[in-house]
Amino acid sequence: KAGVTQTPRYLIKTRGQQVTLSCSPISGHRSVSWYQQTPGQGLQFLFEYFSETQRNKGNFPGRFSGRQFSNSRSEMNVSTLELGDSALYLCASSLGGGYSPLHFGNGTRLTVT
Amino acid sequence: TQLLEQSPQFLSIQEGENLTVYCNSSSVFSSLQWYRQEPGEGPVLLVTVVTGGEVKKLKRLTFQFGDARKDSSLHITAAQPGDTGLYLCAGGASRGGNKLTFGTGTQLKVEL
Repeated sequence: KAGVTQTPRYLIKTRGQQVTLSCSPISGHRSVSWYQQTPGQGLQFLFEYFSETQRNKGNFPGRFSGRQFSNSRSEMNVSTLELGDSALYLCASSLGGGYSPLHFGNGTRLTVT
Repeated sequence: TQLLEQSPQFLSIQEGENLTVYCNSSSVFSSLQWYRQEPGEGPVLLVTVVTGGEVKKLKRLTFQFGDARKDSSLHITAAQPGDTGLYLCAGGASRGGNKLTFGTGTQLKVEL
């Protein structure tokens, strides 16, 4: 069974640009969550999508947005990039009910220069 | 804002030693999960505890959820180099959804 796939693995962008990250969940998983990981703030929740609807949202500015497609694949977009957006962005999928376990991808490392 | 503080932040021990990692909060969580993350990879779930006072064992790892569901501990017996990694606790605020609050992390290094 294939795990969670995130593309690309590495990205280098310039301040002010925008970026789109992609996440393919485990087959059958309907929930996709996004997290930002930085050395200073650790892992912080961005948002969760379930059956194409945003179910939960973290405390990030509106520059961070996401969506989920009918096949459960998800994308995350960050507009007007800032230096502080440099981070490892992790996607996790789950069946979505109760305490169903999260399965994380290996992340996209974004560097903003 | 819910916060989860882990201690210690760093731990370097010799193979065969025992250790305990603590995860504390002033907030109540409906569930508490522990993950291990290795360099270049995403976190991998080790265990989920949902009942106050619950104790779960996974081979040499013992996890406990505090009675008040505000804290948790991870105890490793006879640590091995393969246990090296970043240990993260994560609290769930409600039964539905996957909005987890992650702890500050404990970097463990086990040397031969």
